[in-house]
Amino acid sequence: EPEVTQTPSHQVTQMGQEVILRCVPISNHLYFYWYRQILGQKVEFLVSFYNNEISEKSEIFDDQFSVERPDGSNFTLKIRSTKLEDSAMYFCASSERRGAWQPQHFGDGTRLSIL
Amino acid sequence: AQSVTQLDSQVPVFEEAPVELRCNYSSSVSVYLFWYVQYPNQGLQLLLKYLSGSTLVKGINGFEAEFNKSQTSFHLRKPSVHISDTAEYFCALYSGGGADGLTFGKGTHLIIQP
Repeated sequence: EPEVTQTPSHQVTQMGQEVILRCVPISNHLYFYWYRQILGQKVEFLVSFYNNEISEKSEIFDDQFSVERPDGSNFTLKIRSTKLEDSAMYFCASSERRGAWQPQHFGDGTRLSIL
Repeated sequence: AQSVTQLDSQVPVFEEAPVELRCNYSSSVSVYLFWYVQYPNQGLQLLLKYLSGSTLVKGINGFEAEFNKSQTSFHLRKPSVHISDTAEYFCALYSGGGADGLTFGKGTHLIIQP
């Protein structure tokens, strides 16, 4: 069964540094998402992306965050200047289309640790 | 605004016993409900979903859930659990209407005791 793959599985970064988290969505999927889960808290929606632009973003997704689909397969989340509170598990997801009838398929996540 | 509440952070159950994981939601619009499972060191895997129609939905691995609109609940059940069911279980809702993101509960850690 096709999978969403995320790299790296664990990223350790110094506070203030830029970090890029990478995702390869399922190949025929058109919608892409990023979620995060701070330890002990809920999984939270960050952003959705369709047709090379942001479709929706949450209040968490401020100017420090950006997303990009640099080529036909990768989907990236960039945090420009990391803060301690950015430490979390980041999940990428993709779906064929928008809406509940097209479930979102999740990757295994990248654990981001900010020192 | 919508929200999902999973009251139990951990549920210990003996192997072959039944289990119910509770999920309540709050929303001012119609919702679509999901249960995801996360096995250790893995991503979120869709277990089952309620979109419309029958309020009892069956999912993978013998799990089922019942949508109860009057009680705003979507509890997950399994009649007999196995050690391999040990995982984190997340209830989530999708409200549509232009929103793309799922709203998740905090998760319930199901611990199967031999």
